[in-house]
Amino acid sequence: AQSVTQPDIHITVSEGASLELRCNYSYGATPYLFWYVQSPGQGLQLLLKYFSGDTLVQGIKGFEAEFKRSQSSFNLRKPSVHWSDAAEYFCAVGAQGFSGNKLVFGAGTILRVKS
Amino acid sequence: GAGVSQSPSNKVTEKGKDVELRCDPISGHTALYWYRQSLGQGLEFLIYFQGNSAPDKSGLPSDRFSAERTGGSVSTLTIQRTQQEDSAVYLCASSPQGGAPTYQETQYFGPGTRLLVL
Repeated sequence: AQSVTQPDIHITVSEGASLELRCNYSYGATPYLFWYVQSPGQGLQLLLKYFSGDTLVQGIKGFEAEFKRSQSSFNLRKPSVHWSDAAEYFCAVGAQGFSGNKLVFGAGTILRVKS
Repeated sequence: GAGVSQSPSNKVTEKGKDVELRCDPISGHTALYWYRQSLGQGLEFLIYFQGNSAPDKSGLPSDRFSAERTGGSVSTLTIQRTQQEDSAVYLCASSPQGGAPTYQETQYFGPGTRLLVL
């Protein structure tokens, strides 16, 4: 079945530590991939997106993500987490035949940063 | 320029009442989306408008939900006879729809309307 999975509901990291948030999708072809972040009481802000080309994508706030076709994954990474990164992160995919006119979102991962 | 705005930011209503939620998309954006974010359900697509085309209503959960977009700009989501399970954050997004399929476009989200049905 077509789906987007974020296997980690909560992740806690220490400030300054590295971060990796996982995202897997189920779809036969290459989808369009997005990572959004939502701070408490706020809407979603786009961090980065992948459409084609270089599989390592750079985004805002020092985030990057790597598309791995063989693993159907699009994991989000940051080398050094700041306290202000505490938020909820959503992976989303869009593709003809998969989602029609909309994005399909994963369930989200809540990031907690401890000092 | 201004982002997507939504009003009200919070709405408390009694079960059985009707509510209207408003979305003002980014100026010039022709595509507009409504999503619902609730505990246990995550972010769910509700409805999509593109220009003067018929909307994609495939995500509306019941016939109590409807939406319209007047003049290709402002959109109103209406929930009739609200139920407690309608309590959620309702998010609106817009995208430029500059010729590419919409699933390729970046969607810009508003801050949402938090609806609580008592």
